[in-house]
This record gives sequence, C-alpha cells and structure tokens, in this order.
Amino acid sequence: EAQVTQNPRYLITVTGKKLTVTCSQNMNHEYMSWYRQDPGLGLRQIYYSMNVEVTDKGDVPEGYKVSRKEKRNFPLILESPSPNQTSLYFCASSKKQGQNTEAFFGQGTRLTVV
Amino acid sequence: AQTVTQSQPEMSVQEAETVTLSCTYDTSESDYYLFWYKQPPSRQMILVIRQEAYKQQNATENRFSVNFQKAAKSFSLKISDSQLGDAAMYFCAYRGNRDDKIIFGKGTRLHILP
Repeated sequence: EAQVTQNPRYLITVTGKKLTVTCSQNMNHEYMSWYRQDPGLGLRQIYYSMNVEVTDKGDVPEGYKVSRKEKRNFPLILESPSPNQTSLYFCASSKKQGQNTEAFFGQGTRLTVV
Repeated sequence: AQTVTQSQPEMSVQEAETVTLSCTYDTSESDYYLFWYKQPPSRQMILVIRQEAYKQQNATENRFSVNFQKAAKSFSLKISDSQLGDAAMYFCAYRGNRDDKIIFGKGTRLHILP
C-alpha cells in the first residue's frame, strides 16, 4: 500500500529535550516536505527536499533541522524544543513534476512542548 | 510569491443541500495545479479533487466539483447533496511548476446540520 508513515503520532516533551519525528514513504517520490498546522494559520511549510542530500528552508524553518540521506526518509529534528513549537506536524511526499502531482500526507504528529 | 486565500473560516450547510467553498490565489505562472484537501476529525489529509490549470474543463469527482476561473484566479469547491461525513476542514492548495512547493490556504471548517 502506498503510504507516508510518520512516528510518533503523539508526543509530549519538555523544553530543551532534543527529539526526532520520523517520516518514511514507499512511493519513490522525489519531493518531501514538513508542515506545521496551527489554528487559523493553515499549513505552513517548515523544510522541503527535492531529492537525496538536497534540502531547503520553507516558510517557518527556525528551530528545526532536517536531513535526506535516503530517498524514502525525511526526519524532522528539534534540537531544543520550545513551547511555541507545540503544533500538529505533517510530513508529505509527491512526485517532482508531471502527472499525479498531489501531495500524500502522513497521519500527523501532535507535539506538545511543556 | 504565490498566495492562496480562503475567505470563509467557517460555513454551515443543511444535510442534503449544496454548499460552495471559496478560494482565490495569486500567481504569475501560467502552468500550475490546484487542489482541495479534506481534513476530517481524524486529522488525515485527504485529496478531494484536483485541477490542472491548462484544462478548461472543471474537474468533477462524484458529489464534488470545482468552478475554476483562471482569469479571475478563483477555484471554488461545490459539494452537492451534503452528507454528515462531509463535515471537516477543507484546504485549498496551489502547486506551481517551477519549484514543486505546495501552498495552502488557511482552511474553511464546514459544519453539516442534520
């Protein structure tokens, strides 16, 4: 089954404790990205990757890191989480261009930083 | 920079009636894709319908159809015969052909009244 898998689904952590949210896709998609969703703000892009070893900042990259060592995986790293990073996070993947260009989403990660 | 605007934060419709959700966008590109995503309480992002800008014919998927007005940069979603399961947050999204980035509107929460 074609899917994007995110883990964990829920996470409560304390300020400053490093964490990683994993994302994996099995569709051989070139393009992967991370979004955060906050009430009234919609989905905002944090980072994206157009292929292996190619990453770039989205609209709200501060406080986040990513890596793309393999095509299927695109982890999101919070080195020192703060309460303002409490949010709902989504990983998405898509083919680079051409047909079927919609994004496929993971199930979301609800992160709470206390 | 491209932008997507959904001017209706919330809407309500009676079950079995028809409702239209508005979306406008701004872009200087001539070739792009537009999408409507549905996010039910489960948080999963589900593709409802897609429209290629080069196609003049409006896309239709069962009870869901769009009114795509390229010159006006308008992309509204019409839901016919509304059902309780249609209750969700709906996001309009734009994807250009240059950098693969997907831009989302802030969403419209749709309530279905029994």
